[in-house]
Amino acid sequence: EADIYQTPRYLVIGTGKKITLECSQTMGHDKMYWYQQDPGMELHLIHYSYGVNSTEKGDLSSESTVSRIRTEHFPLTLESARPSHTSQYLCASSEWSNTGELFFGEGSRLTVL
Amino acid sequence: DAKTTQPPSMDCAEGRAANLPCNHSTISGNEYVYWYRQIHSQGPQYIIHGLKNNETNEMASLIITEDRKSSTLILPHATLRDTAVYYCIVRVANYNAGNMLTFGGGTRLMVKP
Repeated sequence: EADIYQTPRYLVIGTGKKITLECSQTMGHDKMYWYQQDPGMELHLIHYSYGVNSTEKGDLSSESTVSRIRTEHFPLTLESARPSHTSQYLCASSEWSNTGELFFGEGSRLTVL
Repeated sequence: DAKTTQPPSMDCAEGRAANLPCNHSTISGNEYVYWYRQIHSQGPQYIIHGLKNNETNEMASLIITEDRKSSTLILPHATLRDTAVYYCIVRVANYNAGNMLTFGGGTRLMVKP
């Protein structure tokens, strides 16, 4: 069982609100990732981090921002939510190794009205 | 990273072997083949990976052709809980690559009673 947790699992919020999706892992992994996935569609990498104070943008441009102040914590923030941000956001982590095994959380499903 | 091609969907009878093909004809010598699956919008789950030798674990077997241009994931005795989208991913194992995995469309496997 992977020890990576996302909250909230579901969030319905109005346009213009600031939201933060939380992601925490207890495996001591250096690398963490955020993927975005619309229903029935592919996963797209939007942010990743190699470790504390490291953040990079992924393949898909996103208006969200991330921070990595602690190894175990990788929150994603939307300053002003819009309906176009409605999606599922999946957090993942991995060791600093070549195995490529990512451990995913259960996801946060965001709906912006 | 090399592009992969998978059939969009497959059916399999419960209790029978499920053989999921993946074409990666442009794979490079230092690229691994990874398989993940995603059960109904949960976070993807790692299954197995390999370089050129066949691999087996408690979940599945991975058969890679000698020229490495294609591979097959085998679920030896499919159950209803194996119904999921299966992703075949090819990427180089490189410390600097950040373990970034690019998920394509995958194969939607439906296991039927």
